[in-house]
Amino acid sequence: AQSVTQPDIHITVSEGASLELRCNYSYGATPYLFWYVQSPGQGLQLLLKYFSGDTLVQGIKGFEAEFKRSQSSFNLRKPSVHWSDAAEYFCAAARAAGNKLTFGGGTRVLVKP
Amino acid sequence: EPEVTQTPSHQVTQMGQEVILRCVPISNHLYFYWYRQILGQKVEFLVSFYNNEISEKSEIFDDQFSVERPDGSNFTLKIRSTKLEDSAMYFCASLGLRSPLHFGNGTRLTVT
Repeated sequence: AQSVTQPDIHITVSEGASLELRCNYSYGATPYLFWYVQSPGQGLQLLLKYFSGDTLVQGIKGFEAEFKRSQSSFNLRKPSVHWSDAAEYFCAAARAAGNKLTFGGGTRVLVKP
Repeated sequence: EPEVTQTPSHQVTQMGQEVILRCVPISNHLYFYWYRQILGQKVEFLVSFYNNEISEKSEIFDDQFSVERPDGSNFTLKIRSTKLEDSAMYFCASLGLRSPLHFGNGTRLTVT
């Protein structure tokens, strides 16, 4: 069965420090991969996506993600977090464009001053 | 930037009542979806809709649920007889040919 796993439920990071959120997927073939962010009471905002090509993907708000086929991973990174980055982050995958998204369980990021 | 609009933002209903959650997708988008997120849990797919019919649905989307695009702009999710476990945040999303999936801000449904 297709699945997306985010091993870390909570991560606390100091403002200005780097952040890495892990995501692993289990699909028959390489899926389309996405990272979304959800601030409290808000909807899901797309940070970045990977369909094919360059394995390092740049997104909005200074985020990037690296696709590693050998590890079935698509980890999200940010070199220096800001207090406004405190939110819940979801990794998601789809078999193809237009197909349903399968979401990971989410990682809640807390930013310490 | 165009956005997906959902109304109401919060709906409270009694168990057994019917609710209709409304969504206005982005105007030139072709694929429409409903997802839900029970408090503290992951976002789950409910149903996808394309070319005026359901293209895929999950096990959650049983006979109590239905979707409709009545007038070419609105996209609605109806729950016929709500249960306590239907309490969740419901997200509408739409997808265009050359744009990524856009989500609305959600409707929080509380069944009492």
